[in-house]
Amino acid sequence: GAGVSQSPSNKVTEKGKDVELRCDPISGHTALYWYRQSLGQGLEFLIYFQGNSAPDKSGLPSDRFSAERTGGSVSTLTIQRTQQEDSAVYLCASSINTGGYTFGSGTRLTVV
Amino acid sequence: AQRVTQPEKLLSVFKGAPVELKCNYSYSGSPELFWYVQYSRQRLQLLLRHISRESIKGFTADLNKGETSFHLKKPFAQEEDSAMYYCALKGVTGGGNKLTFGTGTQLKVEL
Repeated sequence: GAGVSQSPSNKVTEKGKDVELRCDPISGHTALYWYRQSLGQGLEFLIYFQGNSAPDKSGLPSDRFSAERTGGSVSTLTIQRTQQEDSAVYLCASSINTGGYTFGSGTRLTVV
Repeated sequence: AQRVTQPEKLLSVFKGAPVELKCNYSYSGSPELFWYVQYSRQRLQLLLRHISRESIKGFTADLNKGETSFHLKKPFAQEEDSAMYYCALKGVTGGGNKLTFGTGTQLKVEL
C-alpha cells in the first residue's frame, strides 16, 4: 500500500480482555517496529522484526504482550488480560533495511 | 545502552523568534541521530537526519559528538511549526535499525 496502515484506529476494551492490533506495512519494507506512545513517556520501543531474523522483543513490558509477523508482511500485536496501564497509542512503523521509519496513524487503546 | 534526553516538555516562543529544541544522547559507539515531528492529528514523520546535513522547513541540526548533542534550530519560528518534536538515536554498531526516542518537546509558537 501507499503507507503504513493500522487497525483499528480506536479500541476501547474492558480490563482483563485480550486485544489484537494490526499493522500492514509498506510493501517491500523489510523491517517492522511497534512502539507505544504515552503522555509524558515519549515513544517506548516494544518489538522489532527484520526480514527472516528472530525478532527483537527486548521492549515488551510483560509476557502479556506478544507480536508476530506473518509472511514478512502484516503484523499483529496481542495484549492479553489488558490492564488500565496498557492504555496508550500503539504505533507501527516500517522501513527499508537502514532507512528512516514510516509510521502508521496508530491505534488508540483505552482500557476501562 | 542508548538514551536520548529532551529536557524540555514544552517550549513556547513568539512568531519570528529563534527556536532551539535541545537533545542530548548517550551512546558508546557511533550514532545516527534523527528528528521526528508530529503535527496535530497527523502521523509522526521524519523531519531530518544528521547524515543528510540538510535543512528541512528551515530547521537544521548539527551533531556535536563532544557535547553528545543534536539540538534542532530554526532562526525564525512560524505558527505552523507548532508540533511535538522527538529526537531519536540509532546505534550504528548494535541494535539493528531500532530507534531510541526521547520523551519529546511540545513546541508552541505564539502570535
